[in-house]
Amino acid sequence: DAKTTQPPSMDCAEGRAANLPCNHSTISGNEYVYWYRQIHSQGPQYIIHGLKNNETNEMASLIITEDRKSSTLILPHATLRDTAVYYCIVLSSGTYKYIFGTGTRLKVLA
Amino acid sequence: GAVVSQHPSRVICKSGTSVKIECRSLDFQATTMFWYRQFPKQSLMLMATSNEGSKATYEQGVEKDKFLINHASLTLSTLTVTSAHPEDSSFYICSARDPRRTGGDYGYTFGSGTRLTVV
Repeated sequence: DAKTTQPPSMDCAEGRAANLPCNHSTISGNEYVYWYRQIHSQGPQYIIHGLKNNETNEMASLIITEDRKSSTLILPHATLRDTAVYYCIVLSSGTYKYIFGTGTRLKVLA
Repeated sequence: GAVVSQHPSRVICKSGTSVKIECRSLDFQATTMFWYRQFPKQSLMLMATSNEGSKATYEQGVEKDKFLINHASLTLSTLTVTSAHPEDSSFYICSARDPRRTGGDYGYTFGSGTRLTVV
């Protein structure tokens, strides 16, 4: 299963863009990168996913490097409600399991 | 969108008793569901894969006799913590995949979690 590495914590000023990096250097060619976030004592919430191309939705943008070994989740205008733990996950093409890494604890500061 | 409901959201039980947690897919049929547990300030740890109509597949180190999983229908999986002890106190979360999502697009939806406290 492809492993992901994320910084343990980050701070971001409210209204600014939050850029959360993820390293997934062992990703295989057909494996997707998924991003979820977990607000305290809730289940993880889907944010965005991608394979090769950059993706954007109403919540965030996902930038995947050309070699697919890393990606960055961008929250364009962070709010206090974006304070959460953000998980980058590579879905195993063999087992179809989500294996969670340690995630990044994002704190948005007023 | 796909919705997964988990019940109860919070339960307190006495040591030695059993507790059942339900996970339901509300607007889709889920042939596969997953169960996780999460200790405070830690990440989610996959416990088992629940397959409709067959035995669950447990991750290494998870006691199958302790954590009984039943996936009797396409919309319901249950996790029973048997003979619970204080060390079983944790946050339990289920997830399921909407099979209408095709190709390699295997996004999963998570339940809201169950906080189990064993006293």
